[in-house]
Amino acid sequence: GNSVTQMEGPVTLSEEAFLTINCTYTATGYPSLFWYVQYPGEGLQLLLKATKADDKGSNKGFEATYRKETTSFHLEKGSVQVSDSAVYFCALSARSQAGTALIFGKGTTLSVSS
Amino acid sequence: GAVVSQHPSWVICKSGTSVKIECRSLDFQATTMFWYRQFPKQSLMLMATSNEGSKATYEQGVEKDKFLINHASLTLSTLTVTSAHPEDSSFYICSAPRGSSYNEQFFGPGTRLTVL
Repeated sequence: GNSVTQMEGPVTLSEEAFLTINCTYTATGYPSLFWYVQYPGEGLQLLLKATKADDKGSNKGFEATYRKETTSFHLEKGSVQVSDSAVYFCALSARSQAGTALIFGKGTTLSVSS
Repeated sequence: GAVVSQHPSWVICKSGTSVKIECRSLDFQATTMFWYRQFPKQSLMLMATSNEGSKATYEQGVEKDKFLINHASLTLSTLTVTSAHPEDSSFYICSAPRGSSYNEQFFGPGTRLTVL
């Protein structure tokens, strides 16, 4: 079946540190891959996406590359800020009972201190 | 960007009562909406797909008589938790894709349900 596995948190970093959050997936076919972010008290927001192998999604300094050979979509940022503190979810699009829906990882909490 | 709202954001109810949660797309029409459930420190679990003008489609293991879904209009879907029990306590989140592609979905802020 379809599933997403992402690294357990919490991840605690100092401002300007390098961030990597690992995400691997299992899927039939060729899913699209996503990173969503949930800031405290807010709904999930799409951070970036990639729809095919070797695509790189990027937004707000975050990047992730769709690696079909390693079934991975790791999230990276070169220099984190306090405002990046949030929960990050890796997800893939997959067929559900009714159509296409998102399958999520468990989420990784990032805490950045100044 | 597109906005999806949920109401209420937080509800406490007694065991045996029913609770209705609303999900609205505020600036776009959504013929399909999704309902998820999130347990503490766990992933979002897809419960059902809400379809405007037709019956909802439930994922395996989700009781359709327990979680009633009605997609009354192109901007509103409701989830009613019937005869709620403490094990139904959870965080319920809806989402709606905009346009024909399901590759981007917009999420509501979620509803925290606590059943006493």
